[in-house]
Amino acid sequence: DTGVSQNPRHKITKRGQNVTFRCDPISEHNRLYWYRQTLGQGPEFLTYFQNEAQLEKSRLLSDRFSAERPKGSFSTLEIQRTEQGDSAMYLCASSLSPGGLSSGNTIYFGEGSWLTVV
Amino acid sequence: GIQVEQSPPDLILQEGANSTLRCNFSDSVNNLQWFHQNPWGQLINLFYIPSGTKQNGRLSATTVATERYSLLYISSSQTTDSGVYFCAVNSGGSNYKLTFGKGTLLTVNP
Repeated sequence: DTGVSQNPRHKITKRGQNVTFRCDPISEHNRLYWYRQTLGQGPEFLTYFQNEAQLEKSRLLSDRFSAERPKGSFSTLEIQRTEQGDSAMYLCASSLSPGGLSSGNTIYFGEGSWLTVV
Repeated sequence: GIQVEQSPPDLILQEGANSTLRCNFSDSVNNLQWFHQNPWGQLINLFYIPSGTKQNGRLSATTVATERYSLLYISSSQTTDSGVYFCAVNSGGSNYKLTFGKGTLLTVNP
């Protein structure tokens, strides 16, 4: 079984452009998460899906950000009108339910997608 | 929300040395995981350990939930152990969100 797969791994874009990242979770995992990590910090929670439903969005996720998970499989994270402050690594993760993280279901992360906005 | 503090922030070791990393958290937790982030950014699960003690090779971890801390022990360190070690916890009513500490940057020199 492959792990969580993310692409592109690196993206350099000009300020104001739109970017989209894709995440393919571990196949049997029905929960999918997006996190953001900046230099010197730990990852911060952005949003979470159970199957195709987006159940929680962090305040960090401004209206320029949108995430989808059609058919409960892969997910995309789109950033519109990018700003320099969006430069970060965007991490996708997946886990099993029921019970979620409080029931011994560990979370598995992808390799991340590095975004640089110039 | 829950606060997670890790210490030390940086640690430099010679190959073969042992080390202890600490994670303090401000509230009771349902889930606590230790991760190793390698230089390429990949977060690797080391332990799921909301309480008790576990060992995996040269690594072991102990969580004392009643005192709200966890320790990660690395014995006979190797250069490949270098990277950032994160503690992450889940607490309260949400069973989907992990809160990470800022990590400990470990450098193991040959």
